Amino acid sequence: GIQVEQSPPDLILQEGANSTLRCNFSDSVNNLQWFHQNPWGQLINLFYIPSGTKQNGRLSATTVATERYSLLYISSSQTTDSGVYFCAVEQFGYGQNFVFGPGTRLSVLP
Amino acid sequence: DTGVSQDPRHKITKRGQNVTFRCDPISEHNRLYWYRQTLGQGPEFLTYFQNEAQLEKSRLLSDRFSAERPKGSFSTLEIQRTEQGDSAMYLCASSLATVILHQPGELFFGEGSRLTVL
Repeated sequence: GIQVEQSPPDLILQEGANSTLRCNFSDSVNNLQWFHQNPWGQLINLFYIPSGTKQNGRLSATTVATERYSLLYISSSQTTDSGVYFCAVEQFGYGQNFVFGPGTRLSVLP
Repeated sequence: DTGVSQDPRHKITKRGQNVTFRCDPISEHNRLYWYRQTLGQGPEFLTYFQNEAQLEKSRLLSDRFSAERPKGSFSTLEIQRTEQGDSAMYLCASSLATVILHQPGELFFGEGSRLTVL
């Protein structure tokens, strides 16, 4: 099956800083989503982005499917951005479930 | 609230007991997924339904696990003879899949059901 890697595994930022999270995947994908898991465990949708670039406020994401990676940018980070960020991919031709990466744990300090 | 809802949110049980979790998806969604997440890990796929049909099951879903979606709306996940290794967060998600294009659609997750087996 497909392998999904995320980097860095942990990230500590001062409030106001910018960051880039990366998701690499080992094979072609049909779809890709970014999620934020808050401290209570809920997975919040950030982007549904099989290719191209999208922006939502301080967050933006870019997926380059041909090179098998996606990036999540967080600008002017806030303490409420803390939590774990997951990317999940749906592999082309291998059923239709999403495979999750191991996540990036982000801590934003005041 | 029109999101995905799960019940119960927390369940503590003794080893060997049976437990059942319920998931109510977003009403117009035709696809429903179950995932399991243990501490420090990403969610792992268990199974999914297209309407009432269970189309895929992970090898993680042992014989003690059974899932149903009898009328293509809500779903239940039952674990029989629970073991301590079953302790985890059980996550339900739904999506609106486009059957013709074979696209699963964007996943929306519930808040999860946390199981602790003593």
